[in-house]
Amino acid sequence: ILNVEQSPQSLHVQEGDSTNFTCSFPSSNFYALHWYRWETAKSPEALFVMTLNGDEKKKGRISATLNTKEGYSYLYIKGSQPEDSATYLCALGSGNTGKLIFGQGTTLQVKP
Amino acid sequence: NAGVTQTPKFRVLKTGQSMTLLCAQDMNHEYMYWYRQDPGMGLRLIHYSVGEGTTAKGEVPDGYNVSRLKKQNFLLGLESAAPSQTSVYFCASIQAGNTGELFFGEGSRLTVL
Repeated sequence: ILNVEQSPQSLHVQEGDSTNFTCSFPSSNFYALHWYRWETAKSPEALFVMTLNGDEKKKGRISATLNTKEGYSYLYIKGSQPEDSATYLCALGSGNTGKLIFGQGTTLQVKP
Repeated sequence: NAGVTQTPKFRVLKTGQSMTLLCAQDMNHEYMYWYRQDPGMGLRLIHYSVGEGTTAKGEVPDGYNVSRLKKQNFLLGLESAAPSQTSVYFCASIQAGNTGELFFGEGSRLTVL
């Protein structure tokens, strides 16, 4: 059974703070690691899909790193803004089965 | 370009009633998924399909059935609804191999009384 863990569960920061979250996963059967941003009452939207050990992705103030050998990925937000408030989900893809399993998410609240 | 479309978006059922949620995608994706979202539980995989005519169980399959008769459609059925199935259901699709991004429908809110 694939088990994807995210920490922390929730986070409250002030506008301008930088922050990071962790996604942990079993390193065996790794195929792809996804990050999604999910705003209340909307559908999750993709941020990054990473497949290679050591991969780093960046989109504006948001970046992510991947370590497939030790089974973790970090998502960083530099200079958080109120519009960054959302739940950030990671998901592990196992190529052998087609399963895409999500972690429970990290909910970020950025106060002005 | 519709992407992933779910119908209905809202439904109220009585315990024991049956219903089917329809997911349609127009991106020619091979893989399709049904998830349920409950407070504090994130997205949990109910069933998924890696191609037309194939389905497989996810993390929480009990009480649900699925069918993928056409590549573009993935149906989720509740044969005898229970209050525990009150949830928001999301359909999603992806190109084969999980290395592309997942596209989600807008969600279907189901309440079972």
